[in-house]
Amino acid sequence: GAGVSQSPSNKVTEKGKDVELRCDPISGHTALYWYRQSLGQGLEFLIYFQGNSAPDKSGLPSDRFSAERTGGSVSTLTIQRTQQEDSAVYLCASSLEASESTDTQYFGPGTRLTVL
Amino acid sequence: AQTVTQSQPEMSVQEAETVTLSCTYDTSESDYYLFWYKQPPSRQMILVIRQEAYKQQNATENRFSVNFQKAAKSFSLKISDSQLGDAAMYFCAYRSGGTYKYIFGTGTRLKVLA
Repeated sequence: GAGVSQSPSNKVTEKGKDVELRCDPISGHTALYWYRQSLGQGLEFLIYFQGNSAPDKSGLPSDRFSAERTGGSVSTLTIQRTQQEDSAVYLCASSLEASESTDTQYFGPGTRLTVL
Repeated sequence: AQTVTQSQPEMSVQEAETVTLSCTYDTSESDYYLFWYKQPPSRQMILVIRQEAYKQQNATENRFSVNFQKAAKSFSLKISDSQLGDAAMYFCAYRSGGTYKYIFGTGTRLKVLA
């Protein structure tokens, strides 16, 4: 596609339910990132993929959070047993080659997650 | 560890005027890149401008320019001839050379007054 897409754009769920957030990166981009943006805050790094592998999962807040990427393309971020503090906008970004000097991230529109 | 600080939570500018958004960072590295991203109400982050640390010349993109002071570790964004469409959150970001990790500031909300 022309840009990074994310689905759903909004998700409302009840506390304790599991949710899956999807990210479709720009075609050909090998690097993919997930961030969390809480109200009025900056971007909190969650996880980074290079191809299908995740060399850095250090930002995942707890073991309720997991992510995978298949075929070097689509990624899903799964939050199990959601809590109210998980409410935030989840942003996905992709880039051509993370370690290259010319690398630049391109962001999707985000998924706004609300946990009731 | 590297940090990025945006000390202005909110700024206002009159339409057609010029505004400068501040960003400072802390690093011991010599090879790095700096970015300004814009996030309008639609939420989609858009790259405004980037600067390579090894370049002394300040980057410019149309009405957007930066004042990169490497010794002072300062990277401010100047928006000239401000337009209503410039109203957004602006984030400053840092990336070490040869790595993937971006570090973002907390953002500055820019309001443009008609």
